[in-house]
Amino acid sequence: DGGITQSPKYLFRKEGQNVTLSCEQNLNHDAMYWYRQDPGQGLRLIYYSQIVNDFQKGDIAEGYSVSREKKESFPLTVTSAQKNPTAFYLCASSIGTTSEQYFGPGTRLTVT
Amino acid sequence: ELKVEQNPLFLSMQEGKNYTIYCNYSTTSDRLYWYRQDPGKSLESLFVLLSNGAVKQEGRLMASLDTKARLSTLHITAAVHDLSATYFCAVPYYGGSQGNLIFGKGTKLSVKP
Repeated sequence: DGGITQSPKYLFRKEGQNVTLSCEQNLNHDAMYWYRQDPGQGLRLIYYSQIVNDFQKGDIAEGYSVSREKKESFPLTVTSAQKNPTAFYLCASSIGTTSEQYFGPGTRLTVT
Repeated sequence: ELKVEQNPLFLSMQEGKNYTIYCNYSTTSDRLYWYRQDPGKSLESLFVLLSNGAVKQEGRLMASLDTKARLSTLHITAAVHDLSATYFCAVPYYGGSQGNLIFGKGTKLSVKP
Protein backbone atom coordinates (compact mmCIF):
# COMPACT_ATOMS: atom_id res chain seq x y z
CA ASP A 1 0.00 0.00 0.00
CA GLY A 2 1.26 3.45 -0.91
CA GLY A 3 1.30 6.12 1.71
CA ILE A 4 3.16 8.31 4.15
CA THR A 5 4.38 7.11 7.50
CA GLN A 6 5.51 9.20 10.42
CA SER A 7 7.18 7.96 13.53
CA PRO A 8 6.86 7.97 16.38
CA LYS A 9 3.18 8.79 16.95
CA TYR A 10 3.94 10.33 20.35
CA LEU A 11 7.26 11.75 21.48
CA PHE A 12 8.26 13.13 24.85
CA ARG A 13 11.48 15.06 25.42
CA LYS A 14 13.12 17.23 28.00
CA GLU A 15 13.79 20.87 27.25
CA GLY A 16 17.21 21.42 25.72
CA GLN A 17 17.31 18.15 23.78
CA ASN A 18 17.24 17.91 20.01
CA VAL A 19 14.73 15.46 18.59
CA THR A 20 14.25 14.05 15.08
CA LEU A 21 10.87 13.20 13.59
CA SER A 22 10.74 10.66 10.81
CA CYS A 23 8.72 10.95 7.59
CA GLU A 24 8.80 8.34 4.82
CA GLN A 25 6.69 8.07 1.67
CA ASN A 26 6.43 5.37 -0.98
CA LEU A 27 4.23 7.36 -3.37
CA ASN A 28 7.17 8.34 -5.57
CA HIS A 29 6.38 12.00 -4.89
CA ASP A 30 9.02 14.62 -5.57
CA ALA A 31 7.78 17.22 -3.07
CA MET A 32 7.61 16.84 0.70
CA TYR A 33 6.53 19.22 3.45
CA TRP A 34 6.55 19.69 7.20
CA TYR A 35 3.77 21.55 9.01
CA ARG A 36 3.21 22.44 12.60
CA GLN A 37 -0.26 22.60 14.14
CA ASP A 38 -0.99 24.02 17.58
CA PRO A 39 -4.25 23.18 19.42
CA GLY A 40 -7.26 24.70 17.71
CA GLN A 41 -5.10 26.33 15.06
CA GLY A 42 -4.41 25.90 11.37
CA LEU A 43 -1.29 24.62 9.64
CA ARG A 44 1.99 26.50 9.53
CA LEU A 45 4.66 25.52 7.03
CA ILE A 46 8.08 24.77 8.52
CA TYR A 47 10.11 23.49 5.56
CA TYR A 48 9.46 22.00 2.16
CA SER A 49 11.52 20.17 -0.42
CA GLN A 50 10.76 20.03 -4.12
CA ILE A 51 13.55 17.64 -4.99
CA VAL A 52 16.27 15.54 -3.42
CA ASN A 53 19.13 17.53 -1.85
CA ASP A 54 17.14 20.76 -1.94
CA PHE A 55 14.78 22.34 0.58
CA GLN A 56 13.28 25.73 1.35
CA LYS A 57 12.32 27.48 4.56
CA GLY A 58 8.65 27.99 5.25
CA ASP A 59 7.02 30.54 7.52
CA ILE A 60 8.38 29.22 10.82
CA ALA A 61 11.74 27.54 10.07
CA GLU A 62 13.64 28.99 13.02
CA GLY A 63 14.67 26.28 15.48
CA TYR A 64 14.10 23.49 12.96
CA SER A 65 16.31 21.70 10.44
CA VAL A 66 15.68 19.16 7.69
CA SER A 67 17.52 17.00 5.20
CA ARG A 68 16.46 15.36 1.95
CA GLU A 69 19.08 12.81 1.04
CA LYS A 70 16.59 10.34 -0.43
CA LYS A 71 13.39 10.90 -2.36
CA GLU A 72 11.43 8.80 0.12
CA SER A 73 12.60 10.45 3.32
CA PHE A 74 12.34 13.94 4.81
CA PRO A 75 13.28 13.95 8.52
CA LEU A 76 12.70 17.00 10.68
CA THR A 77 14.94 17.89 13.62
CA VAL A 78 13.50 20.08 16.33
CA THR A 79 16.47 21.76 17.95
CA SER A 80 16.87 23.22 21.42
CA ALA A 81 16.67 26.65 19.78
CA GLN A 82 12.96 26.18 19.13
CA LYS A 83 11.34 28.11 21.96
CA ASN A 84 8.00 26.37 22.06
CA PRO A 85 8.29 22.97 20.38
CA THR A 86 5.26 21.22 21.88
CA ALA A 87 2.85 20.74 18.97
CA PHE A 88 1.38 18.31 16.43
CA TYR A 89 3.73 17.84 13.46
CA LEU A 90 2.40 16.79 10.08
CA CYS A 91 4.39 15.61 7.09
CA ALA A 92 2.93 15.68 3.59
CA SER A 93 3.99 14.87 0.05
CA SER A 94 2.79 15.69 -3.46
CA ILE A 95 3.61 14.90 -7.07
CA GLY A 96 4.32 18.50 -7.91
CA THR A 97 4.34 21.81 -6.17
CA THR A 98 0.74 22.73 -7.00
CA SER A 99 -0.68 19.26 -6.63
CA GLU A 100 -2.84 17.77 -3.94
CA GLN A 101 -0.88 17.01 -0.79
CA TYR A 102 -1.16 13.71 1.01
CA PHE A 103 -0.64 13.77 4.75
CA GLY A 104 0.96 11.35 7.16
CA PRO A 105 -0.71 10.46 10.48
CA GLY A 106 1.32 13.03 12.44
CA THR A 107 3.66 13.07 15.43
CA ARG A 108 2.57 14.67 18.68
CA LEU A 109 5.64 16.14 20.39
CA THR A 110 5.61 17.16 24.03
CA VAL A 111 8.61 18.95 25.52
CA THR A 112 8.76 19.56 29.26
CA GLU B 1 1.21 37.21 -1.40
CA LEU B 2 -1.72 34.81 -1.48
CA LYS B 3 -4.25 35.00 1.33
CA VAL B 4 -6.90 32.34 1.90
CA GLU B 5 -9.85 33.16 4.11
CA GLN B 6 -12.49 30.77 5.34
CA ASN B 7 -15.73 31.67 6.97
CA PRO B 8 -17.17 30.95 9.29
CA LEU B 9 -14.30 29.68 11.47
CA PHE B 10 -16.74 28.01 13.85
CA LEU B 11 -20.08 26.52 12.92
CA SER B 12 -22.53 24.83 15.20
CA MET B 13 -25.37 23.14 13.34
CA GLN B 14 -28.33 21.02 14.16
CA GLU B 15 -28.71 17.67 12.50
CA GLY B 16 -30.81 17.85 9.38
CA LYS B 17 -29.95 21.45 8.57
CA ASN B 18 -28.11 22.82 5.55
CA TYR B 19 -25.21 25.23 5.57
CA THR B 20 -22.36 26.53 3.41
CA ILE B 21 -18.71 27.14 4.24
CA TYR B 22 -16.91 29.74 2.13
CA CYS B 23 -13.29 29.90 1.02
CA ASN B 24 -12.05 33.13 -0.58
CA TYR B 25 -8.57 33.66 -1.94
CA SER B 26 -6.76 36.79 -2.98
CA THR B 27 -4.85 35.99 -6.19
CA THR B 28 -5.53 34.01 -9.32
CA SER B 29 -5.44 30.26 -9.01
CA ASP B 30 -6.80 27.53 -11.24
CA ARG B 31 -7.49 24.91 -8.59
CA LEU B 32 -8.45 24.37 -4.99
CA TYR B 33 -8.43 21.52 -2.50
CA TRP B 34 -10.67 20.70 0.47
CA TYR B 35 -9.47 18.63 3.41
CA ARG B 36 -11.13 17.22 6.51
CA GLN B 37 -9.48 16.82 9.91
CA ASP B 38 -11.04 14.83 12.74
CA PRO B 39 -10.00 15.75 16.30
CA GLY B 40 -6.51 14.52 17.08
CA LYS B 41 -6.05 13.14 13.56
CA SER B 42 -4.29 14.11 10.37
CA LEU B 43 -5.79 15.73 7.29
CA GLU B 44 -7.52 13.67 4.64
CA SER B 45 -8.36 14.84 1.16
CA LEU B 46 -12.03 15.53 0.45
CA PHE B 47 -12.24 17.24 -2.91
CA VAL B 48 -9.92 18.30 -5.70
CA LEU B 49 -11.36 21.12 -7.83
CA LEU B 50 -9.29 21.62 -10.96
CA SER B 51 -11.14 24.16 -13.07
CA ASN B 52 -13.58 27.02 -13.05
CA GLY B 53 -17.10 25.74 -12.50
CA ALA B 54 -15.92 22.41 -11.09
CA VAL B 55 -18.42 20.73 -8.80
CA LYS B 56 -17.76 17.61 -6.76
CA GLN B 57 -20.15 15.77 -4.47
CA GLU B 58 -19.72 13.02 -1.95
CA GLY B 59 -22.56 12.08 0.29
CA ARG B 60 -23.90 15.16 2.06
CA LEU B 61 -21.01 17.37 0.98
CA MET B 62 -20.75 19.30 -2.26
CA ALA B 63 -17.87 21.56 -3.26
CA SER B 64 -17.70 24.07 -6.08
CA LEU B 65 -15.12 26.45 -7.50
CA ASP B 66 -15.54 29.85 -9.14
CA THR B 67 -12.06 30.98 -10.19
CA LYS B 68 -13.31 34.31 -11.50
CA ALA B 69 -14.80 35.21 -8.13
CA ARG B 70 -11.85 33.50 -6.35
CA LEU B 71 -14.36 31.61 -4.27
CA SER B 72 -15.05 28.01 -3.35
CA THR B 73 -18.00 26.76 -1.36
CA LEU B 74 -18.49 23.58 0.64
CA HIS B 75 -22.20 22.92 1.03
CA ILE B 76 -23.53 20.61 3.71
CA THR B 77 -26.93 19.06 3.14
CA ALA B 78 -28.97 17.58 6.00
CA ALA B 79 -26.05 17.50 8.40
CA VAL B 80 -25.36 14.46 10.54
CA HIS B 81 -23.13 14.13 13.61
CA ASP B 82 -20.47 12.22 11.63
CA LEU B 83 -19.70 15.39 9.69
CA SER B 84 -18.35 17.07 12.82
CA ALA B 85 -14.73 17.92 11.99
CA THR B 86 -12.53 20.79 10.91
CA TYR B 87 -12.56 21.57 7.19
CA PHE B 88 -9.66 23.27 5.45
CA CYS B 89 -9.42 24.70 1.97
CA ALA B 90 -6.02 25.06 0.29
CA VAL B 91 -4.95 27.03 -2.77
CA PRO B 92 -1.73 26.65 -4.77
CA TYR B 93 0.65 29.57 -4.68
CA TYR B 94 2.78 29.83 -7.81
CA GLY B 95 5.57 32.06 -6.65
CA GLY B 96 7.54 33.51 -3.78
CA SER B 97 8.68 31.74 -0.65
CA GLN B 98 5.38 30.83 0.93
CA GLY B 99 5.51 27.20 -0.03
CA ASN B 100 3.21 25.47 -2.40
CA LEU B 101 -0.25 25.24 -0.87
CA ILE B 102 -1.69 28.02 1.23
CA PHE B 103 -4.23 26.73 3.74
CA GLY B 104 -7.16 28.57 5.20
CA LYS B 105 -7.45 28.64 9.00
CA GLY B 106 -10.09 25.94 8.95
CA THR B 107 -13.79 25.81 9.80
CA LYS B 108 -14.63 23.81 12.88
CA LEU B 109 -18.01 22.20 12.35
CA SER B 110 -20.01 20.79 15.21
CA VAL B 111 -23.26 19.00 14.38
CA LYS B 112 -25.61 18.57 17.31
CA PRO B 113 -28.66 16.35 17.60
